[in-house]
Amino acid sequence: NAGVTQTPKFQVLKTGQSMTLQCAQDMNHNSMYWYRQDPGMGLRLIYYSASEGTTDKGEVPNGYNVSRLNKREFSLRLESAAPSQTSVYFCASRLRSYSNQPQHFGDGTRLSIL
Amino acid sequence: AQTVTQSQPEMSVQEAETVTLSCTYDTSESDYYLFWYKQPPSRQMILVIRQEAYKQQNATENRFSVNFQKAAKSFSLKISDSQLGDAAMYFCAYRPYSGAGSYQLTFGKGTKLSVIP
Repeated sequence: NAGVTQTPKFQVLKTGQSMTLQCAQDMNHNSMYWYRQDPGMGLRLIYYSASEGTTDKGEVPNGYNVSRLNKREFSLRLESAAPSQTSVYFCASRLRSYSNQPQHFGDGTRLSIL
Repeated sequence: AQTVTQSQPEMSVQEAETVTLSCTYDTSESDYYLFWYKQPPSRQMILVIRQEAYKQQNATENRFSVNFQKAAKSFSLKISDSQLGDAAMYFCAYRPYSGAGSYQLTFGKGTKLSVIP
């Protein structure tokens, strides 16, 4: 009963390096999301994908790109990492964008940029 | 834009006692959902309880219940018979029922709950 799986769980990068965070869900959900969580803050939406083949910007998209590879997988890429992107990143999925179902979250990826 | 405010950065409760966490929100929507998520040290985001705004009855899930006051835009979480495993960050979240914003959960900054044995 995996739910939402994120890899890796931890990563340390140097400024300017690139990195892709992977997310996969096995619940046949249509919508997927990427959030970041900073100290003293709630989660903020970076990008989302309402359905396979579509992606849209959320509240804090600058410095990130995403790919909805297929229905199961939604990746987040940092092309040139910056210290301000040090954060915990969460992937989430939901059955449909317009539904009363809650989002299911992965366990998070702790990313440090030196 | 919708905002969610949790005015208590930290709270503590004695084991077996009851504690209430506060949440207020600002929206011009009439139909929406409200959620409480729990985040233990393991970092998982765990849904505790949810409330549909069109329902007048307050949601309950075992020891967890809410006091939803739509006119006051207030959504507090009550934890009864507190247990050590309840210690965590608690986040209040809002999502409109429909429209462009319905894809997005808006979170408060969280309340850190400590349970004292």
